[in-house]
Amino acid sequence: GAGVSQSPSNKVTEKGKDVELRCDPISGHTALYWYRQRLGQGLEFLIYFQGNSAPDKSGLPSDRFSAERTGESVSTLTIQRTQQEDSAVYLCASSLAPVITYGYTFGSGTRLTVV
Amino acid sequence: DQQVKQNSPSLSVQEGRISILNCDYTNSMFDYFLWYKKYPAEGPTFLISISSIKDKNEDGRFTVFLNKSAKHLSLHIVPSQPGDSAVYFCAARPTGNQFYFGTGTSLTVIP
Repeated sequence: GAGVSQSPSNKVTEKGKDVELRCDPISGHTALYWYRQRLGQGLEFLIYFQGNSAPDKSGLPSDRFSAERTGESVSTLTIQRTQQEDSAVYLCASSLAPVITYGYTFGSGTRLTVV
Repeated sequence: DQQVKQNSPSLSVQEGRISILNCDYTNSMFDYFLWYKKYPAEGPTFLISISSIKDKNEDGRFTVFLNKSAKHLSLHIVPSQPGDSAVYFCAARPTGNQFYFGTGTSLTVIP
């Protein structure tokens, strides 16, 4: 597609349930990133995929968070046993190369609300 | 620990005047800086970048200044237009892949 597509755009879930967020990057973009933005805070790095290399998971806040990416296509971010502090906008971004020159292209995000 | 700080959560400017958005960082290893613009319900979009080997980069109405000794960068928008009203994020990167983002400054340009 023309841009980075994320689904769902909004998700309300009960505390303790698992959620799965999806990201379709721009075709041909080898690098894919997940960030989140909690209310009043900056964008927080979660995980980075580059081609077939092992992902950089250094930003995942706990073992309840995991992400997968198949090749250079779709990625899913899974949050298990959601907590209220997981409420945030989860943003996916992709880029052509791992070393950013022109910046990422972001999706519109998934707004997750844990009640 | 916020490594990139935008201390002004909001800024209002009259149309036609200059908008100056500020950003401070703590890590002297940051070598690349970006500014992003975000409209409501949309993802951030890349605006302008600067490498640590430069102190200024200009693109049309947008200019980014970098003061490495002060660990400070700023984005100047001249002249400001109502369509510039958005949240602006600065981001910085040490060598590697991850960018650290500030909390954003909401700019309102008053017609």
